[in-house]
Amino acid sequence: DVKVTQSSRYLVKRTGEKVFLECVQDMDHENMFWYRQDPGLGLRLIYFSYDVKMKEKGDIPEGYSVSREKKERFSLILESASTNQTSMYLCASSFQGKDTQYFGPGTRLTVL
Amino acid sequence: GENVEQHPSTLSVQEGDSAVIKCTYSDSASNYFPWYKQELGKGPQLIIDIRSNVGEKKDQRIAVTLNKTAKHFSLHITETQPEDSAVYFCAASTASYDKVIFGPGTSLSVIP
Repeated sequence: DVKVTQSSRYLVKRTGEKVFLECVQDMDHENMFWYRQDPGLGLRLIYFSYDVKMKEKGDIPEGYSVSREKKERFSLILESASTNQTSMYLCASSFQGKDTQYFGPGTRLTVL
Repeated sequence: GENVEQHPSTLSVQEGDSAVIKCTYSDSASNYFPWYKQELGKGPQLIIDIRSNVGEKKDQRIAVTLNKTAKHFSLHITETQPEDSAVYFCAASTASYDKVIFGPGTSLSVIP
């Protein structure tokens, strides 16, 4: 059974703080993704990675960066959190190509 | 780039009735169309997908149809049950590597 875990279910941070969201998958998947989910907007891709140390911008990368030092781990970094980054963040992984994406349970981030 | 629209945004049906969710996409090069179900407090999970070389696919009570000429695809759930209550997302692949674009979601409520 594929398992994607995210470091926190709920997180509260202050404006200007540096925030790290961690994601780990246990199925040796090539691809990993970070999305944010907002009501009425669906899932929007922030960044994805198709290999270690490789990253590609998604549709809304501004204000975010990512790190993939190991195949199983993909981190999302908010260098200086802002209130408009309050959202649900979902991590996903897939084997390769146009394959099923397996999602983690999400991290609800609130920036005050 | 690819744009995916989804209707309706909310849907209520009586238990045992059918539910239909419709999506349209803009990029005629799209060739992969997955559907994800998100239950409360969980990440989305793939329930069915269709590729552009087929027009219809069925899996027990769920089916997906694809009309490439009109650039729309639909999810059909028959004999709905309360456990079908969830948010459903359609998605379409882009020409870019491994990305999919998600629709805004449909919140389905099945009333016992």
